[in-house]
Amino acid sequence: KAGVTQTPRYLIKTRGQQVTLSCSPISGHRSVSWYQQTPGQGLQFLFEYFSETQRNKGNFPGRFSGRQFSNSRSEMNVSTLELGDSALYLCASSLKSGSTAYEQYFGPGTRLTVT
Amino acid sequence: QQQVKQSPQSLIVQKGGISIINCAYENTAFDYFPWYQQFPGKGPALLIAIRPDVSEKKEGRFTISFNKSAKQFSLHIMDSQPGDSATYFCAAMSPVVSSNTGKLIFGQGTTLQVKP
Repeated sequence: KAGVTQTPRYLIKTRGQQVTLSCSPISGHRSVSWYQQTPGQGLQFLFEYFSETQRNKGNFPGRFSGRQFSNSRSEMNVSTLELGDSALYLCASSLKSGSTAYEQYFGPGTRLTVT
Repeated sequence: QQQVKQSPQSLIVQKGGISIINCAYENTAFDYFPWYQQFPGKGPALLIAIRPDVSEKKEGRFTISFNKSAKQFSLHIMDSQPGDSATYFCAAMSPVVSSNTGKLIFGQGTTLQVKP
């Protein structure tokens, strides 16, 4: 089975711009969660989507948003980029049912640099 | 109350030795405790996980010890190898209940170096 894929892998943007990141979960997984990883703050939960609905949201400003499509693929968008948004953005997929309901599998991430 | 505290921040172990990483949590509602391994340039990989109804889980050279009363859990890497050199994260999650969901709360990470 193919793992979680994220595109693009690297991105350089300028302050004030917006960016869209994409995530394709493991086949059959219906839940997609997004996390931000920085050296200072570590791994922080952004939000989770399940059945095209946002189920939970972390403590991030409204500039961070996401959506999920009917095929479970997900996108996250960051508007009005700030220097502090530079981070590795990770997507994780989960089956969300059965004995492995809790298990989250991460993609390689998208490295976003804001200049 | 949502925090997970991880220690040590960094760890150096000789090849063949035992690596021990500790985590502590406050929220008694947490009921899933995974460990992730991350190599540079890669996403975190699920290593091993435990639920609070058991005190220990072993998979190969990796063991989780769980102390529910102390609200602590730890990862033991037996016979540590240079290939184990990576950053390790503990995490905790609240119950996945119906349409609601749990989110992973991560510790700050431990950088492990295994010397040949």
